[in-house]
Amino acid sequence: QSALTQPASVSGSPGQSITISCTGTSSDVGSYNLVSWYQHHPGKAPKLMLYEVSQRPSGISNRFSGSKSGNTASLTISGLQAEDEADYYCCSYAGSYTFPYVFGTGTKVTVL
Amino acid sequence: QVQLVESGGGVVQPGRSLRLSCAASGFTFSGYAMNWVRQAPGKGLEWVAVIWYDGSNEYYVDSVKGRFTISRDNSKTTLYLQMNSLRAEDTAVYYCTRERSVGNHDVWGQGTTVTVSS
Repeated sequence: QSALTQPASVSGSPGQSITISCTGTSSDVGSYNLVSWYQHHPGKAPKLMLYEVSQRPSGISNRFSGSKSGNTASLTISGLQAEDEADYYCCSYAGSYTFPYVFGTGTKVTVL
Repeated sequence: QVQLVESGGGVVQPGRSLRLSCAASGFTFSGYAMNWVRQAPGKGLEWVAVIWYDGSNEYYVDSVKGRFTISRDNSKTTLYLQMNSLRAEDTAVYYCTRERSVGNHDVWGQGTTVTVSS
């Protein structure tokens, strides 16, 4: 199983919107609406931001939204804020109990 | 509150063993599948292993099959990862996660660092 492909970095100014893509295959992202997104500040525990493509856990700002088209899922952060600067990882169910999850390569978000 | 706390990491020589623990609190541990996810230095997250809520099934990434064993003690609300025959490429921060539903890793620990070096 290969890691899902994400851009290495994305940047934006405060208040702007950015979108991070997550490209997999027809065996994972393309087959299941089971894509989740995690925010990771170095040295801290990763934090679930979205699950099942677009569902927000309790307490997550509605500035974070998700979508999927074909084999590519996307995370959009609107109204970018300084505290959004972090690494972001997507994760997809891979369709097999024996290898259930594949993570993305990770994207560093920089707030200019 | 809902919490996962890992322990057991350290520096170990190649070929040796280490056992990681993940103490859970604030929720019904026996009701959730649990996972280990790792992050090697400068790399992304990698799923390592999962164990079902009742311990009836466990699955591993190919690179650790036959060397690592995931287990749980629901009476002690603790998850374990027994790591044998450690290799340099196992060097990473290891996180335990709670799986609320398929693909929904909603709670993560702070991680414990494993360094395999001679």
